[in-house]
Amino acid sequence: EIVLTQSPGTLSLSPGERATLSCRASQSVDQRFLAWYQQKPGQAPRLLIYDASRRATGIPDRFSGSGSGTDFTLTISRLEPEDLAVYHCQQYGSSPKTFGQGTKLEIK
Amino acid sequence: EVQLVESGGGLVQPGGSLRLSCAASGFRFINYWMSWVRQAPGRRLEWVANIKQDGRKREYVDSVKGRFTISRDNAKNSLYLQMSSLRAEDAAVYYCAREGFGGFDLWGQGSLVIVSS
Repeated sequence: EIVLTQSPGTLSLSPGERATLSCRASQSVDQRFLAWYQQKPGQAPRLLIYDASRRATGIPDRFSGSGSGTDFTLTISRLEPEDLAVYHCQQYGSSPKTFGQGTKLEIK
Repeated sequence: EVQLVESGGGLVQPGGSLRLSCAASGFRFINYWMSWVRQAPGRRLEWVANIKQDGRKREYVDSVKGRFTISRDNAKNSLYLQMSSLRAEDAAVYYCAREGFGGFDLWGQGSLVIVSS
C-alpha cells in the first residue's frame, strides 16, 4: 500500500499570497496518477487536480499541480478567503487507492 | 443536475448490518466505475470499495473484505454498499464517488454511519 504524507499539517497565509502544499509518497506513483481535492468545512471533497497536473472542470487557473515519482506539489497562487479548506492528495495508480492526511489551509 | 445522493446511514450496534444506497442522476451512470469512500472523525479519507461499469469486477480495502459488499443496479442508476459485522472503527461519513478520467470527479453529500451500543 502506498502511504501519502502531506506537509505542512497547517498553513496560515494572507489573501493574495501563494500557498505551496506537499504530498510525498512511500513509493513511486504510477504514471503520475495523483489527484488533489479541496474539502471545505461541512462539505464533500471536490476534485481540483488529476494526473498530477491537469485541472478538473471548472477549477480556476490559480490552482496548479506538479511533480512525479514520489514528490508532488499543489500550488495556489493569489489566495482568496474562500480557499479556506483542507486539501487532500490521493493516488490511484495502485490498489488500494490511498489518501494523504490532509493540509489545513487557514486564511489570515 | 449532475449529482449523487446517498441514503441509508444511521445508528447501528456493533456486529449489526446496514445498507447504504446512492442515487445517481444527470449523467450516464453505466459508463463509470463507482466507489465508496469514508471519512472517520480526525482520520484521513479512506477508499472502501469500487465496482466496474458492468458490476463484474469489485475491489475492497483489506479492512472490509468479507464484511462489505458493493453492488450496483444500472437500470436504477444506483450504487449500494451492504455492510455487515460492523465495528466501532467503521463509524464514518460514507461518500459515494464517481471515478472519472482521474481521481473521483463527483461526490455525494455523504451518509453518516454510527456504530455504538
